Amino acid sequence: DAGITQSPRHKVTETGTPVTLRCHQTENHRYMYWYRQDPGHGLRLIHYSYGVKDTDKGEVSDGYSVSRSKTEDFLLTLESATSSQTSVYFCAISERGGILFNEQFFGPGTRLTVL
Amino acid sequence: TQLLEQSPQFLSIQEGENLTVYCNSSSVFSSLQWYRQEPGEGPVLLVTVVTGGEVKKLKRLTFQFGDARKDSSLHITAAQPGDTGLYLCAGGSGSARQLTFGSGTQLTVLP
Repeated sequence: DAGITQSPRHKVTETGTPVTLRCHQTENHRYMYWYRQDPGHGLRLIHYSYGVKDTDKGEVSDGYSVSRSKTEDFLLTLESATSSQTSVYFCAISERGGILFNEQFFGPGTRLTVL
Repeated sequence: TQLLEQSPQFLSIQEGENLTVYCNSSSVFSSLQWYRQEPGEGPVLLVTVVTGGEVKKLKRLTFQFGDARKDSSLHITAAQPGDTGLYLCAGGSGSARQLTFGSGTQLTVLP
């Protein structure tokens, strides 16, 4: 199994509070991704990174920001959480993003509830 | 925006039956992947197909990529309860750094 951990695994917070989710990898893969998973929507890309300090927006980036100061860590921040951001968040890593074989390995997920 | 539609959305069958899950798009993909996800876990890659018409077999699972690289299917022979899970297809484009995921097929195999 790819070495990917996510923290926290579960979090309950209140509307308007900031929240930061952490993804940590031990595989030294270049590409890292943050997805959210909601019933009926599959996995939707929030942001991704193609190197240290190199990030780009995904399909549903509004209300989210990311940072990657080290290869192994990719942080997802909700500046002011809203109830619509209640979801399960997955981090994924890939060695060869976008070059035919963008095979991604996923972390265990973080279940976030915004009350 | 590239979209992938999966069908059926839900499927409940008896152990030993065969089934096929479909993944369709109007866009061409350079590669297509299938993942399986179990409750409380992240998706796990099953297979990647890259050539139009390609067929790959993984034990009782057969994956096919359409000739035009716009669609794919997953066929399971003699399904077992251990096959239960959410099956996701995902398409990749050569110039993009991201995958497009379908909404998934929730499969339940009853003993």
